[in-house]
Amino acid sequence: KAGVTQTPRYLIKTRGQQVTLSCSPISGHRSVSWYQQTPGQGLQFLFEYFSETQRNKGNFPGRFSGRQFSNSRSEMNVSTLELGDSALYLCASSLPTSGVNTIYFGEGSWLTVV
Amino acid sequence: AQSVTQLGSHVSVSEGALVLLRCNYSSSVPPYLFWYVQYPNQGLQLLLKYTSAATLVKGINGFEAEFKKSETSFHLTKPSAHMSDAAEYFCAVSYPVGTASKLTFGTGTRLQVTL
Repeated sequence: KAGVTQTPRYLIKTRGQQVTLSCSPISGHRSVSWYQQTPGQGLQFLFEYFSETQRNKGNFPGRFSGRQFSNSRSEMNVSTLELGDSALYLCASSLPTSGVNTIYFGEGSWLTVV
Repeated sequence: AQSVTQLGSHVSVSEGALVLLRCNYSSSVPPYLFWYVQYPNQGLQLLLKYTSAATLVKGINGFEAEFKKSETSFHLTKPSAHMSDAAEYFCAVSYPVGTASKLTFGTGTRLQVTL
């Protein structure tokens, strides 16, 4: 069974540009969430999507957005990139079921803003 | 608000020695607790999770963790460290509302294993 797949794995962008990252969840998983990992702030929750609806949102500016498609695949977009957006962006998926949801992570997309 | 605190950003042990990574949570209600491991340039891999079924949880690669409500702790242990255990370890907490869930992570503990 394939895991969570993220593309691209590495990318370099210039300040002011925008970027789109893609995530394919584990087959059958309907919840997709995104996290940002930086040395200074650690792992921070961005947002979660379930059945194409954003269900949870972290404390990030509106430049960070996402969406989920009917096949559960998800994309996140960052507009007007800033140097501080350089980070590892992790996508995670879960079924989910009632009770505890085991959340599985992808390998991440490394974004460098120059 | 839920939070987790990991004591010690760096832990160094000798190969074969006991590994103890500390995690304390702050919560007014019993949370779900997780330990994840991250190897260099990789994503997060689930080691184990606490779901209130049993206080002692066994995970992969010989790791286990014990939930202690009185101490609000969920420390990760392994009896004998191996060189391949060198990685960064994250404790996380979640409070699913209905079927929604999100993880709040600790700051991580980097484990170094020496010969």
